[in-house]
Amino acid sequence: EAAVTQSPRNKVTVTGGNVTLSCRQTNSHNYMYWYRQDTGHGLRLIHYSYGAGNLQIGDVPDGYKATRTTQEDFFLLLELASPSQTSLYFCASRRLGGHSQNTLYFGAGTRLSVL
Amino acid sequence: AQKVTQTQTSISVMEKTTVTMDCVYETQDSSYFLFWYKQTASGEIVFLIRQDSYKKENATVGHYSLNFQKPKSSIGLIITATQIEDSAVYFCAMRASSGSWQLIFGSGTQLTVMP
Repeated sequence: EAAVTQSPRNKVTVTGGNVTLSCRQTNSHNYMYWYRQDTGHGLRLIHYSYGAGNLQIGDVPDGYKATRTTQEDFFLLLELASPSQTSLYFCASRRLGGHSQNTLYFGAGTRLSVL
Repeated sequence: AQKVTQTQTSISVMEKTTVTMDCVYETQDSSYFLFWYKQTASGEIVFLIRQDSYKKENATVGHYSLNFQKPKSSIGLIITATQIEDSAVYFCAMRASSGSWQLIFGSGTQLTVMP
């Protein structure tokens, strides 16, 4: 079972604040993803990456930056947080190639509140 | 445009019965992959089962099976002999084989299994 670890698990900040969400996977997966989950919308893709230094834009990227510093680490940055970014954030990873290449492995989630 | 729709927001069933959750999808691709994920009350999201569009046989894993109706762009999840611990939110997802690798999720169906 792939291991994907997110930190922090909970975060409260104020409008205009600076927030960094961290994700680390320890299974040498190539792809990593950031999703947000909101009631009625399911999971929506913010950014993803297929390797260190790579970044791809997802479906709801506005207000978010991301950086993949290593194969293991993927960060989501909110530089001017707004109340609309209050959400549950999930990181996920998947391998490249092999039978399970289309399967996403999720972290436990980070609950962010922007006051 | 690709889209995944789950119209059932919540379902309640009695323990040990069979339940079917609906999902319809839209894609222009001739080849694609369909998935069901489960989100437990703790927030954990886990992969359940997958159907590749080129396969005619319905996938089965344990007490989960799929009802794949390609002409209707439908992929239903069937859970037989439901248990209390099956209570969760179930997400349908799709990945098209062409273009960038993105997993598109439906909005989820909350399943409650009652004793």
